[in-house]
Amino acid sequence: RKEVEQDPGPFNVPEGATVAFNCTYSNSASQSFFWYRQDCRKEPKLLMSVYSSGNEDGRFTAQLNRASQYISLLIRDSKLSDSATYLCVVNRGGADGLTFGKGTHLIIQP
Amino acid sequence: GAVVSQHPSWVICKSGTSVKIECRSLDFQATTMFWYRQFPKQSLMLMATSNEGSKATYEQGVEKDKFLINHASLTLSTLTVTSAHPEDSSFYICSAKRGASVLETQYFGPGTRLLVL
Repeated sequence: RKEVEQDPGPFNVPEGATVAFNCTYSNSASQSFFWYRQDCRKEPKLLMSVYSSGNEDGRFTAQLNRASQYISLLIRDSKLSDSATYLCVVNRGGADGLTFGKGTHLIIQP
Repeated sequence: GAVVSQHPSWVICKSGTSVKIECRSLDFQATTMFWYRQFPKQSLMLMATSNEGSKATYEQGVEKDKFLINHASLTLSTLTVTSAHPEDSSFYICSAKRGASVLETQYFGPGTRLLVL
């Protein structure tokens, strides 16, 4: 089983729609969880951290289910500028460094 | 916000040459810096973890004699790809974090694209 698994997509979504991504991770010792965004040929940029209680930042909502080792990201009222690859990232539980998923490619269509 | 720079942003070199990449934290002191690489359509993979003043810790499968890491100060880490070969062509990205906790946010540099001919 891969350490962090995501559906690679692409997800083609009309502007204004709501889209959800999921991710599963295998290391039960992981303690911190993130969603990063990566634009083509650029470095990843932190979108938001993910907490057990769930957290929201504007149009973005992240949820964590530790029991199922499952993380989700919801984007509401999607914009053209949301087109990117979304990376699910977990820390390595007691060791430094991050483990990245391959990413989910999102395309917002006008 | 925390800013991390990398230099050069891209490099093309001949097979057999060595390439040095610098990673700097511009507005904070980084206790730990990390080196990742990303092949096309693949995820970022951690290569090594670097703490100032001590030897880097390399991930399994990463040759320490080929990828030399020097973390000379709290704001600078360098990665030298020695005797580079075409299979080393990749996107190399560093990150840095302020504190010692594994929960600290990592801030990424803009990356260095290496093409070995």
